[in-house]
Amino acid sequence: EAQVTQNPRYLITVTGKKLTVTCSQNMNHEYMSWYRQDPGLGLRQIYYSMNVEVTDKGDVPEGYKVSRKEKRNFPLILESPSPNQTSLYFCASSPIQGSYEQYFGPGTRLTVT
Amino acid sequence: QKEVEQNSGPLSVPEGAIASLNCTYSDRGSQSFFWYRQYSGKSPELIMFIYSNGDKEDGRFTAQLNKASQYVSLLIRDSQPSDSATYLCAVNLLPSGSARQLTFGSGTQLTVLP
Repeated sequence: EAQVTQNPRYLITVTGKKLTVTCSQNMNHEYMSWYRQDPGLGLRQIYYSMNVEVTDKGDVPEGYKVSRKEKRNFPLILESPSPNQTSLYFCASSPIQGSYEQYFGPGTRLTVT
Repeated sequence: QKEVEQNSGPLSVPEGAIASLNCTYSDRGSQSFFWYRQYSGKSPELIMFIYSNGDKEDGRFTAQLNKASQYVSLLIRDSQPSDSATYLCAVNLLPSGSARQLTFGSGTQLTVLP
């Protein structure tokens, strides 16, 4: 089954404790992206990647890191989480060309206390 | 600054009615336009895309695009309670056939009353 998976789905952590949210897709998509979703603000892009070893900042990159060492994986790293990073996070992927759809993962609800 | 504006709602319509959702965008260079549906607690899923001026129909859904006025709308005919969800408008500057680099609106919450 074609899918984007994220882990964990739910996470409660404390300020300053490094964490990683994993994202993996099995569709051989070149493009992957991370979004955060907050009430009233919609989906905002954090980082994206056009292919292996190619990453770039989105609209709200502060406080986040990413890496793309393999085509299928695009982890999101919070080196020192803060309460304002409490949010719902989505990973998405799509081909570079020839598709109108971004495929979203199930989401990760993160709470930083 | 890329901006996509939607009325946050909530928008309530009776079952069987037409629901009309609107979206305006600020960047005249926007090329492709998307409507995603998001059920509560779930991830967004694509329901329509459009890149040419005019109407595009798919079942009960019709997307309408007016680039001169910079708005795109989604009509849902014969609304069903299962259509109750948040509808996200998204645009990008890339030519048709690419789903990358989307800018999303904040979404309109639709409730269809039985």
